[in-house]
Amino acid sequence: DTGVSQDPRHKITKRGQNVTFRCDPISEHNRLYWYRQTLGQGPEFLTYFQNEAQLEKSRLLSDRFSAERPKGSFSTLEIQRTEQGDSAMYLCASSPISSFDNNEQFFGPGTRLTVL
Amino acid sequence: GEDVEQSLFLSVREGDSSVINCTYTDSSSTYLYWYKQEPGAGLQLLTYIFSNMDMKQDQRLTVLLNKKDKHLSLRIADTQTGDSAIYFCAESAMDTGRRALTFGSGTRLQVQP
Repeated sequence: DTGVSQDPRHKITKRGQNVTFRCDPISEHNRLYWYRQTLGQGPEFLTYFQNEAQLEKSRLLSDRFSAERPKGSFSTLEIQRTEQGDSAMYLCASSPISSFDNNEQFFGPGTRLTVL
Repeated sequence: GEDVEQSLFLSVREGDSSVINCTYTDSSSTYLYWYKQEPGAGLQLLTYIFSNMDMKQDQRLTVLLNKKDKHLSLRIADTQTGDSAIYFCAESAMDTGRRALTFGSGTRLQVQP
């Protein structure tokens, strides 16, 4: 399977704990995105990387959230001191750099986070 | 800022056409996308249209764009039970330099056999 992969698929944690999610983009896709989706809503943009550079950050990305893409391949999203309001599906997407840039983003299956 | 709105629910009979509507607010040059999400699955990109186009057809899917009214629609011909899913409209205002997609809340399509 050469699609976007995310790990873990499900995470249950207690309030106050730290969690880390991993995303592996489609190979050769230079751009990687993180979104958050709550029940009954569409995905909301969190942050975007081009190679290892973090180029956009949403105001939703509070100081408890940090994302990295150290070698320009996989990315991690860490949430510190989790709160119940962090419960959501965290989606990763990737897109290639191409001469015809239509910003098509291909999504992974997501990591569902439940904070108790 | 950008805002994308969709109706919440649509029910059709198998074999009929489905039309899912979306309105957006951004007036800059943009791409508009339709994604499909089935239960427990990620988002599947169905099709997209650039804002200088009026229509795009791809097999059973037809996208219509009314740029004046900022209205986008997705028509699914000969709707099948496998088309039952949530459909999201999304906007990308790339000429602002941003790559973030702004999504609507989704339209749940229910196909009755």
